[in-house]
Amino acid sequence: QSALTQPASVSGSPGQSITISCTGTSSDVGGYNFVSWYQQHPGKAPKLIIYEVTNRPSEISNRFSGSKSGNTASLTISGLQAEDEADYYCSSYTTRSTFYVFGSGTKVTVV
Amino acid sequence: EVQLLESGGGLVQPGGSLRLSCVASGFTFNNYAMSWVRQAPGKGLEWVSGITDSADNRYYADSVKGRFTISRDNSKNTLYLQMNGLRADDTAVYYCARDGDGDTYMLDSWGQGTLVTVSS
Repeated sequence: QSALTQPASVSGSPGQSITISCTGTSSDVGGYNFVSWYQQHPGKAPKLIIYEVTNRPSEISNRFSGSKSGNTASLTISGLQAEDEADYYCSSYTTRSTFYVFGSGTKVTVV
Repeated sequence: EVQLLESGGGLVQPGGSLRLSCVASGFTFNNYAMSWVRQAPGKGLEWVSGITDSADNRYYADSVKGRFTISRDNSKNTLYLQMNGLRADDTAVYYCARDGDGDTYMLDSWGQGTLVTVSS
């Protein structure tokens, strides 16, 4: 059982905005600003797209943005494009027995 | 360019052992903590183990504690994962990943993964 809760799937049309939620506890998401998001295309390795809740690596499009409120973090993809169709995972530093915890993953479909 | 290249995966019987390796290039390896993350077929990501830059501290998920050992050889720019007592539920693609430098927690570069299959 994954420690962080994400919706199984989210869909949107090209050009729309979508938001993926990631709910944890005060021991992880709510307690630290160390939430990151990863994009994974089929058969590929995950790729970091957001770190420390809101920061983007330099090569990542500004269509991706992150935020947090309480124990829930969110990833927003604006101007949805076909290439955004992928699985997305949130992750957080945690003070529980593991070091990092991941979310269950969300499949984004561009319809 | 940061590169991480895993090897050592394969088919192993339940109860058997494997050692995974991850050769790093394109950055100063001994400045970074490193992690192993796995993904069972059709499933999500699971953090497995982590090690600090100087190997002073090692961390494990409860699911592998006592069976897996993480280590590194900074002179060879190589990260290892020794896996003993393998079980069917250890079947997964295993990725090595670089932790962010300094006082941050993120996995900013990933290898392509190596598949471990535990089956009789």
